[in-house]
Amino acid sequence: DTGVSQDPRHKITKRGQNVTFRCDPISEHNRLYWYRQTLGQGPEFLTYFQNEAQLEKSRLLSDRFSAERPKGSFSTLEIQRTEQGDSAMYLCASSNHNQPQHFGDGTRLSIL
Amino acid sequence: AQKITQTQPGMFVQEKEAVTLDCTYDTSDPSYGLFWYKQPSSGEMIFLIYQGSYDQQNATEGRYSLNFQKARKSANLVISASQLGDSAMYFCAMREGGGTASKLTFGTGTRLQVTL
Repeated sequence: DTGVSQDPRHKITKRGQNVTFRCDPISEHNRLYWYRQTLGQGPEFLTYFQNEAQLEKSRLLSDRFSAERPKGSFSTLEIQRTEQGDSAMYLCASSNHNQPQHFGDGTRLSIL
Repeated sequence: AQKITQTQPGMFVQEKEAVTLDCTYDTSDPSYGLFWYKQPSSGEMIFLIYQGSYDQQNATEGRYSLNFQKARKSANLVISASQLGDSAMYFCAMREGGGTASKLTFGTGTRLQVTL
């Protein structure tokens, strides 16, 4: 049983560029979550999918952010026109109904 | 108001001793779940223990136990027989609502340092 996999582990980019992250959940999990964690803080919820349906989005998810889970398996999170404030660790988690969420190792984004 | 409050930014404990990490929560929902996660310096979030609001018994998982005091809205994590590998950030989190409830709300964490 492989865990939640995230790619890349680290991303460094210039301000204004677009970035895309990928998350592969645990295979039998139908729920997938994205969180953002800044230095010294706990993770903050961004969005949540059940199968391919995006059921909830945080107000933190500005119009520059978009997430997809087209076939109900892996998910992508895209940030357009990155800003300095987007620098953070982006965490993906998956679960089944009412089970604990299991997290991936995260993608650390640094904006130059 | 903060939904999850962890008042201890840092804690020290000697190896083999027990330590309690504090967590208080705020919700008006009668159905909720409380979680503790460990985050080592490598960054991954590791699930430790879960307590449901309707659970009658305090949750235990190996050396971890959750001291759940519903009336006081507290869910403290107790780690017994601390090991050097327990040094990490510890986060308390809450999921509100039952059924299709989704997101977790996290506290700001407590950094635990286990010393020889």
